[in-house]
Amino acid sequence: GAVVSQHPSWVICKSGTSVKIECRSLDFQATTMFWYRQFPKQSLMLMATSNEGSKATYEQGVEKDKFLINHASLTLSTLTVTSAHPEDSSFYICSANPGTGDNSPLHFGNGTRLTVT
Amino acid sequence: GQNIDQPTEMTATEGAIVQINCTYQTSGFNGLFWYQQHAGEAPTFLSYNVLDGLEEKGRFSSFLSRSKGYSYLLLKELQMKDSASYLCAALDSNYQLIWGAGTKLIIKP
Repeated sequence: GAVVSQHPSWVICKSGTSVKIECRSLDFQATTMFWYRQFPKQSLMLMATSNEGSKATYEQGVEKDKFLINHASLTLSTLTVTSAHPEDSSFYICSANPGTGDNSPLHFGNGTRLTVT
Repeated sequence: GQNIDQPTEMTATEGAIVQINCTYQTSGFNGLFWYQQHAGEAPTFLSYNVLDGLEEKGRFSSFLSRSKGYSYLLLKELQMKDSASYLCAALDSNYQLIWGAGTKLIIKP
């Protein structure tokens, strides 16, 4: 089945530093990938939609200058958390739709647990 | 506004049956998904319903009533490994996913 790989699985960084998270579709091409954030005991919150070859679409309230998204190829999207602060500590999950329709189920990466100290 | 409601937490006994309900209010509707999420892991796809009725897949079944804006996930022959959060998500008219907060299912021996 379709596989989405996300790296790293967890990262601890100091406040003020930047962290890059990679999301790869291993056996399919993904023109669109989605980045979610999930705080403990809460649902997934869509942060942005990553579009290959063009600018990402950010959800309301998500700072585009803080959460940089690059979708340079059909199999790779990256999320960079710039100047991270403790409140950015969260579980970040990427997903992609390997199907041909908008109603195809999403396949998720394993998530990245970010802790900012 | 758009909204998904599902119970916060449910408890059931190993070997029993449990039904997790989900009601939705969306701008248009293009189907409803159920995902399973174990603690600390990413969600995994369980089912997708776009037409009214029951879809059975092994121990798990999912039901949809579009007129009532209602779905449920039915889990039979519960196993300890079924302890997880179950997320309901509806696709609106723009094919945007609207997520519920998830139902934490606790299985007791």
